[in-house]
Amino acid sequence: GAGVSQSPSNKVTEKGKDVELRCDPISGHTALYWYRQRLGQGLEFLIYFQGNSAPDKSGLPSDRFSAERTGESVSTLTIQRTQQEDSAVYLCASSLGGIDYEQYFGPGTRLTVT
Amino acid sequence: AQTVTQSQPEMSVQEAETVTLSCTYDTSESNYYLFWYKQPPSRQMILVIRQEAYKQQNATENRFSVNFQKAAKSFSLKISDSQLGDTAMYFCAFLKTSGSRLTFGEGTQLTVNP
Repeated sequence: GAGVSQSPSNKVTEKGKDVELRCDPISGHTALYWYRQRLGQGLEFLIYFQGNSAPDKSGLPSDRFSAERTGESVSTLTIQRTQQEDSAVYLCASSLGGIDYEQYFGPGTRLTVT
Repeated sequence: AQTVTQSQPEMSVQEAETVTLSCTYDTSESNYYLFWYKQPPSRQMILVIRQEAYKQQNATENRFSVNFQKAAKSFSLKISDSQLGDTAMYFCAFLKTSGSRLTFGEGTQLTVNP
């Protein structure tokens, strides 16, 4: 079956512009996660959605970052007024939830802020 | 909060030999899950192996096995009969419970030489 997909694969933007990153989770997966991976580093948690519950936004680094998810489908991560330190790979993952805890990752979006 | 430490930024091994990647973690939880993920240059995070903390038996997946020492909070990955395709960044990760965020180490870049 289809895995987690993300678009765009790569995004180059100018400092100060807004960007939207999209994630399509595996069908039926109720949980969705966003992570950020800076060059040569591990992944940092950003935000977590579980069904219709309030999202866990505790990892968002500033109020320039926001994310939405419609039901149990697509999610968008929005970064407003991008800064150079926002340059990173943004990875999305989804999981079935419940006792099935494995997170399945998408290929990521590489964001470059010039 | 949980922390995960990988003390080996880079390692190399000859094809067909065995290599061990180290990981330590810090947590006050008694039940949790540990993972090793592989990230090749394609950026796709691939689950290599997982371990439930309540299981005393070390997990094994073909050429990959772990040495899980719960008291020492250590979770090393052994790769036997290394292959060129094993060349990748390897991340150790901690999951407190199903549906929570993964906490990653900084990664170990493994190079398998012919």
